[in-house]
Amino acid sequence: AQRVTQPEKLLSVFKGAPVELKCNYSYSGSPELFWYVQYSRQRLQLLLRHISRESIKGFTADLNKGETSFHLKKPFAQEEDSAMYYCALLAGNEKLTFGTGTRLTIIP
Amino acid sequence: SAVISQKPSRDICQRGTSLTIQCQVDSQVTMMFWYRQQPGQSLTLIATANQGSEATYESGFVIDKFPISRPNLTFSTLTVSNMSPEDSSIYLCSVQQGNQPQHFGDGTRLSIL
Repeated sequence: AQRVTQPEKLLSVFKGAPVELKCNYSYSGSPELFWYVQYSRQRLQLLLRHISRESIKGFTADLNKGETSFHLKKPFAQEEDSAMYYCALLAGNEKLTFGTGTRLTIIP
Repeated sequence: SAVISQKPSRDICQRGTSLTIQCQVDSQVTMMFWYRQQPGQSLTLIATANQGSEATYESGFVIDKFPISRPNLTFSTLTVSNMSPEDSSIYLCSVQQGNQPQHFGDGTRLSIL
């Protein structure tokens, strides 16, 4: 069975500092990975997916199959980045498995 | 992406009662899902709502407790039956069209007294 691990429940970073939110997965097949974000009082929304290989709001994430990781990175944190971030894996059966989430707080 | 309307947005219910949550999408979608997010926890898939047939439930979830309907490609309901305080959670509807990522509704925050 697939599993997604986000080791940090809470992460605080100063504004302007680099951000890295960790995500590791276990899955025997070829995974599709996502980062979802939930800002205060808003719905859960897609931030990015690995197959798009794009940067959204300055965030990037690279799938590292050797390390089974999909860490989310941003070089310079902004206050509006404060939110709950969930890493998710889509298995071949079309079911999304979510990590436990990391609450990111940007310190002004 | 599809616009998802979920209601009610929140409710406070008495123990032993049932509540039906509705999920309406503004366009036809292939897949609809129901998730639960218990306080301080991640999202857990309850079931996949299948159009015109019985939902596919995940381990630990049963039809008697969480009956689901999906009469067409734009609408689904989830009922939480015979509620107890342990059912206090946020319940979320999500939709997927083709190979696009899942998109989520605003959720229903349910509290059981």
